[in-house]
Amino acid sequence: GAVVSQHPSRVICKSGTSVKIECRSLDFQATTMFWYRQFPKKSLMLMATSNEGSKATYEQGVEKDKFLINHASLTLSTLTVTSAHPEDSSFYICSARVTREIGELFFGEGSRLTVL
Amino acid sequence: AQSVSQHNHHVILSEAASLELGCNYSYGGTVNLFWYVQYPGQHLQLLLKYFSGDPLVKGIKGFEAEFIKSKFSFNLRKPSVQWSDTAEYFCAVNAGGYNKLIFGAGTRLAVHP
Repeated sequence: GAVVSQHPSRVICKSGTSVKIECRSLDFQATTMFWYRQFPKKSLMLMATSNEGSKATYEQGVEKDKFLINHASLTLSTLTVTSAHPEDSSFYICSARVTREIGELFFGEGSRLTVL
Repeated sequence: AQSVSQHNHHVILSEAASLELGCNYSYGGTVNLFWYVQYPGQHLQLLLKYFSGDPLVKGIKGFEAEFIKSKFSFNLRKPSVQWSDTAEYFCAVNAGGYNKLIFGAGTRLAVHP
Protein backbone atom coordinates (compact mmCIF):
# COMPACT_ATOMS: atom_id res chain seq x y z
CA GLY A 1 0.00 0.00 0.00
CA ALA A 2 0.88 3.67 -0.15
CA VAL A 3 3.31 4.96 2.44
CA VAL A 4 2.82 8.02 4.59
CA SER A 5 5.63 9.12 6.86
CA GLN A 6 5.62 11.55 9.76
CA HIS A 7 8.51 13.33 11.40
CA PRO A 8 9.37 13.60 14.19
CA SER A 9 7.84 10.55 15.83
CA ARG A 10 8.40 12.03 19.27
CA VAL A 11 9.01 15.58 20.35
CA ILE A 12 9.30 17.21 23.74
CA CYS A 13 9.13 20.95 24.01
CA LYS A 14 8.79 23.67 26.60
CA SER A 15 5.55 25.48 27.13
CA GLY A 16 5.27 28.53 24.90
CA THR A 17 7.39 27.20 22.06
CA SER A 18 6.19 26.09 18.62
CA VAL A 19 6.58 22.65 17.14
CA LYS A 20 6.35 21.60 13.51
CA ILE A 21 5.31 18.10 12.46
CA GLU A 22 5.80 16.96 8.88
CA CYS A 23 3.68 14.51 6.95
CA ARG A 24 4.96 13.13 3.67
CA SER A 25 3.43 10.81 1.11
CA LEU A 26 6.44 8.82 -0.04
CA ASP A 27 5.24 7.04 -3.15
CA PHE A 28 2.19 8.95 -4.27
CA GLN A 29 0.88 12.47 -4.60
CA ALA A 30 -1.73 13.55 -2.12
CA THR A 31 -3.84 16.57 -2.95
CA THR A 32 -5.60 16.11 0.36
CA MET A 33 -4.21 15.10 3.71
CA PHE A 34 -5.98 14.86 7.02
CA TRP A 35 -4.69 15.65 10.48
CA TYR A 36 -6.06 13.73 13.43
CA ARG A 37 -5.45 13.98 17.13
CA GLN A 38 -5.67 10.83 19.22
CA PHE A 39 -6.45 11.10 22.90
CA PRO A 40 -5.69 8.26 25.33
CA LYS A 41 -8.49 5.72 25.36
CA LYS A 42 -10.44 7.88 22.95
CA SER A 43 -11.06 8.12 19.28
CA LEU A 44 -9.12 9.83 16.57
CA MET A 45 -10.47 13.34 16.34
CA LEU A 46 -10.28 14.95 12.92
CA MET A 47 -8.64 18.34 13.30
CA ALA A 48 -8.44 19.59 9.76
CA THR A 49 -8.33 18.74 6.10
CA SER A 50 -5.19 19.95 4.40
CA ASN A 51 -5.59 20.90 0.75
CA GLU A 52 -2.59 21.36 -1.49
CA GLY A 53 -2.27 24.94 -2.62
CA SER A 54 -5.13 26.28 -0.55
CA LYS A 55 -6.15 26.92 3.01
CA ALA A 56 -6.86 24.06 5.33
CA THR A 57 -10.41 23.32 6.41
CA TYR A 58 -10.66 23.11 10.18
CA GLU A 59 -13.20 21.15 12.16
CA GLN A 60 -15.41 22.91 14.62
CA GLY A 61 -13.64 23.68 17.86
CA VAL A 62 -10.12 23.45 16.44
CA GLU A 63 -8.19 26.71 16.72
CA LYS A 64 -6.72 27.45 13.32
CA ASP A 65 -4.33 30.04 14.72
CA LYS A 66 -2.95 27.51 17.13
CA PHE A 67 -2.70 24.57 14.77
CA LEU A 68 -1.24 25.97 11.57
CA ILE A 69 -1.45 23.68 8.58
CA ASN A 70 0.46 24.17 5.39
CA HIS A 71 0.23 21.91 2.35
CA ALA A 72 2.88 23.38 0.15
CA SER A 73 3.36 20.46 -2.22
CA LEU A 74 1.63 17.30 -3.35
CA THR A 75 3.76 15.23 -1.01
CA LEU A 76 4.11 17.36 2.09
CA SER A 77 1.79 18.78 4.69
CA THR A 78 2.96 20.35 7.93
CA LEU A 79 1.20 20.93 11.23
CA THR A 80 2.67 23.60 13.48
CA VAL A 81 1.49 23.75 17.06
CA THR A 82 2.09 27.34 18.06
CA SER A 83 2.71 28.51 21.61
CA ALA A 84 2.29 24.98 22.85
CA HIS A 85 0.83 24.27 26.28
CA PRO A 86 0.74 21.06 28.29
CA GLU A 87 -2.87 20.44 27.22
CA ASP A 88 -1.62 20.23 23.62
CA SER A 89 0.31 17.11 24.54
CA SER A 90 -1.14 14.37 22.41
CA PHE A 91 -0.61 11.96 19.58
CA TYR A 92 -1.00 13.62 16.19
CA ILE A 93 -1.60 11.48 13.13
CA CYS A 94 -1.75 12.45 9.50
CA SER A 95 -3.34 10.51 6.69
CA ALA A 96 -3.81 10.75 2.96
CA ARG A 97 -5.73 9.24 0.09
CA VAL A 98 -4.17 8.09 -3.12
CA THR A 99 -7.03 9.40 -5.21
CA ARG A 100 -9.44 12.30 -4.93
CA GLU A 101 -12.34 9.92 -4.55
CA ILE A 102 -13.59 8.54 -1.29
CA GLY A 103 -11.49 5.56 -0.39
CA GLU A 104 -8.93 4.06 1.89
CA LEU A 105 -6.84 6.37 4.00
CA PHE A 106 -3.17 5.64 4.55
CA PHE A 107 -1.84 6.73 7.90
CA GLY A 108 1.46 8.03 9.12
CA GLU A 109 3.07 6.50 12.18
CA GLY A 110 2.00 9.42 14.33
CA SER A 111 3.90 12.03 16.31
CA ARG A 112 3.77 12.13 20.07
CA LEU A 113 4.04 15.65 21.39
CA THR A 114 4.84 16.27 25.02
CA VAL A 115 4.74 19.84 26.24
CA LEU A 116 6.47 20.44 29.56
CA ALA B 1 -23.78 15.34 12.45
CA GLN B 2 -22.25 12.00 11.69
CA SER B 3 -21.13 9.89 14.61
CA VAL B 4 -19.77 6.42 15.14
CA SER B 5 -20.33 4.37 18.25
CA GLN B 6 -18.28 1.37 19.29
CA HIS B 7 -19.90 -0.42 22.17
CA ASN B 8 -16.98 -2.31 23.61
CA HIS B 9 -14.03 -0.31 24.81
CA HIS B 10 -12.01 -3.24 26.03
CA VAL B 11 -12.41 -6.90 25.11
CA ILE B 12 -10.40 -9.79 26.53
CA LEU B 13 -10.53 -13.19 24.85
CA SER B 14 -8.68 -16.44 24.88
CA GLU B 15 -7.15 -17.78 21.70
CA ALA B 16 -9.61 -19.59 19.43
CA ALA B 17 -12.57 -17.69 20.86
CA SER B 18 -14.91 -15.96 18.45
CA LEU B 19 -14.92 -12.20 18.18
CA GLU B 20 -17.61 -9.71 17.41
CA LEU B 21 -17.04 -5.98 17.83
CA GLY B 22 -20.02 -3.70 17.51
CA CYS B 23 -20.14 -0.53 15.44
CA ASN B 24 -23.13 1.71 14.86
CA TYR B 25 -23.24 4.96 12.96
CA SER B 26 -25.68 7.78 12.69
CA TYR B 27 -26.47 8.87 9.16
CA GLY B 28 -29.50 8.13 7.05
CA GLY B 29 -28.00 8.28 3.59
CA THR B 30 -25.30 6.50 1.63
CA VAL B 31 -22.27 5.55 3.68
CA ASN B 32 -18.86 4.07 3.19
CA LEU B 33 -17.70 2.03 6.15
CA PHE B 34 -14.27 0.99 7.31
CA TRP B 35 -12.54 -0.99 10.00
CA TYR B 36 -8.98 -0.03 10.83
CA VAL B 37 -6.58 -1.83 13.14
CA GLN B 38 -3.65 -0.47 15.10
CA TYR B 39 -1.21 -3.10 16.32
CA PRO B 40 1.01 -2.08 19.23
CA GLY B 41 3.59 0.42 18.06
CA GLN B 42 2.38 0.42 14.47
CA HIS B 43 0.43 2.61 12.05
CA LEU B 44 -3.28 2.39 11.63
CA GLN B 45 -4.01 0.09 8.73
CA LEU B 46 -7.11 -0.92 6.87
CA LEU B 47 -8.76 -4.23 7.76
CA LEU B 48 -11.72 -4.01 5.43
CA LYS B 49 -14.14 -1.61 3.84
CA TYR B 50 -17.67 -1.48 2.49
CA PHE B 51 -18.70 0.80 -0.34
CA SER B 52 -21.57 -1.05 -2.01
CA GLY B 53 -22.69 -4.50 -3.10
CA ASP B 54 -22.49 -7.59 -0.91
CA PRO B 55 -23.07 -6.42 2.67
CA LEU B 56 -20.82 -9.17 3.99
CA VAL B 57 -17.29 -7.94 3.50
CA LYS B 58 -14.18 -10.03 3.94
CA GLY B 59 -10.92 -8.43 4.95
CA ILE B 60 -7.40 -9.39 5.78
CA LYS B 61 -6.36 -11.94 8.41
CA GLY B 62 -9.71 -13.72 8.46
CA PHE B 63 -11.78 -10.75 9.53
CA GLU B 64 -15.19 -9.99 8.09
CA ALA B 65 -17.88 -7.41 8.71
CA GLU B 66 -21.54 -7.23 7.90
CA PHE B 67 -23.31 -4.06 6.91
CA ILE B 68 -26.90 -4.05 8.14
CA LYS B 69 -28.48 -0.91 6.81
CA SER B 70 -31.67 -1.20 8.84
CA LYS B 71 -29.63 -1.32 12.04
CA PHE B 72 -27.04 1.26 10.98
CA SER B 73 -24.45 -1.29 11.97
CA PHE B 74 -21.17 -2.62 10.64
CA ASN B 75 -19.99 -5.21 13.15
CA LEU B 76 -16.59 -6.83 12.85
CA ARG B 77 -16.24 -10.58 13.30
CA LYS B 78 -13.62 -13.27 13.38
CA PRO B 79 -14.50 -16.90 14.11
CA SER B 80 -11.26 -17.75 15.91
CA VAL B 81 -8.89 -15.12 17.26
CA GLN B 82 -5.17 -15.46 17.68
CA TRP B 83 -2.77 -13.85 20.10
CA SER B 84 -1.47 -11.75 17.19
CA ASP B 85 -4.88 -10.11 16.86
CA THR B 86 -4.17 -8.16 20.03
CA ALA B 87 -4.62 -4.57 18.87
CA GLU B 88 -6.96 -1.63 18.87
CA TYR B 89 -9.76 -1.66 16.35
CA PHE B 90 -11.46 1.42 14.97
CA CYS B 91 -14.67 1.65 13.02
CA ALA B 92 -14.96 4.64 10.69
CA VAL B 93 -17.62 6.09 8.43
CA ASN B 94 -17.60 8.42 5.49
CA ALA B 95 -21.09 9.68 4.82
CA GLY B 96 -22.96 12.02 2.59
CA GLY B 97 -20.07 12.68 0.27
CA TYR B 98 -18.09 14.42 2.98
CA ASN B 99 -14.41 14.23 2.27
CA LYS B 100 -13.42 12.87 5.67
CA LEU B 101 -13.62 9.84 7.90
CA ILE B 102 -15.22 9.94 11.30
CA PHE B 103 -13.86 7.37 13.74
CA GLY B 104 -15.37 5.53 16.65
CA ALA B 105 -13.66 5.54 20.02
CA GLY B 106 -11.92 2.26 19.33
CA THR B 107 -11.98 -1.15 20.97
CA ARG B 108 -8.89 -2.50 22.60
CA LEU B 109 -8.69 -6.27 22.10
CA ALA B 110 -6.41 -8.41 24.22
CA VAL B 111 -6.07 -12.07 23.25
CA HIS B 112 -4.53 -14.37 25.82
CA PRO B 113 -2.70 -17.52 24.72
